[in-house]
Amino acid sequence: GQQVMQIPQYQHVQEGEDFTTYCNSSTTLSNIQWYKQRPGGHPVFLIQLVKSGEVKKQKRLTFQFGEAKKNSSLHITATQTTDVGTYFCAGHASNTGKLIFGQGTTLQVKP
Amino acid sequence: GAGVSQSPRYKVAKRGQDVALRCDPISGHVSLFWYQQALGQGPEFLTYFQNEAQLDKSGLPSDRFFAERPEGSVSTLKIQRTQQEDSAVYLCASSLAPGGTTDTQYFGPGTRLTVL
Repeated sequence: GQQVMQIPQYQHVQEGEDFTTYCNSSTTLSNIQWYKQRPGGHPVFLIQLVKSGEVKKQKRLTFQFGEAKKNSSLHITATQTTDVGTYFCAGHASNTGKLIFGQGTTLQVKP
Repeated sequence: GAGVSQSPRYKVAKRGQDVALRCDPISGHVSLFWYQQALGQGPEFLTYFQNEAQLDKSGLPSDRFFAERPEGSVSTLKIQRTQQEDSAVYLCASSLAPGGTTDTQYFGPGTRLTVL
């Protein structure tokens, strides 16, 4: 079945450093969504990318969708302690609403 | 309500007990999803409802798991004869439109189930 892989699993950075997490799907995705989950919390929707090669920015966060629509990345510039959490990418299985999540990348930021 | 709510937030069960987990989606949301999240993993799909119809239950791990949404609003996930491997956080999510691939899913806080 469809699989979504994320790397790295963990990342520890010093506050102010940049951070990137990568997401790869075994199949072409109709779109990709990114979620953030704080420790002890639930996934919170960040953004959705739909078009091949699409790039979207939210303040210090930059999201990219690959040309082949099989990979994506999230880049955070100048991390802050508030960025701590686990970032998940998720793609839809075929044309259903069912989301297939990656394993997540847990970000720790040292002040 | 303002968001998706779930109850109870925490549930401890002895192995072999039955449990029922409740989800109240955002009012008016047509689609409702259940996911299971094991420690350190991403959420895994269990089942999907469009209104009261259960359109996809391919993720339910065994016949001990049963979900319903009889009036197209509140949903209940029932686990019979719980096993230790059922210990996880059970997340409910809802979205406005009928199961489309472009809709935002809004997640509830989850129910953390611990089976002893």
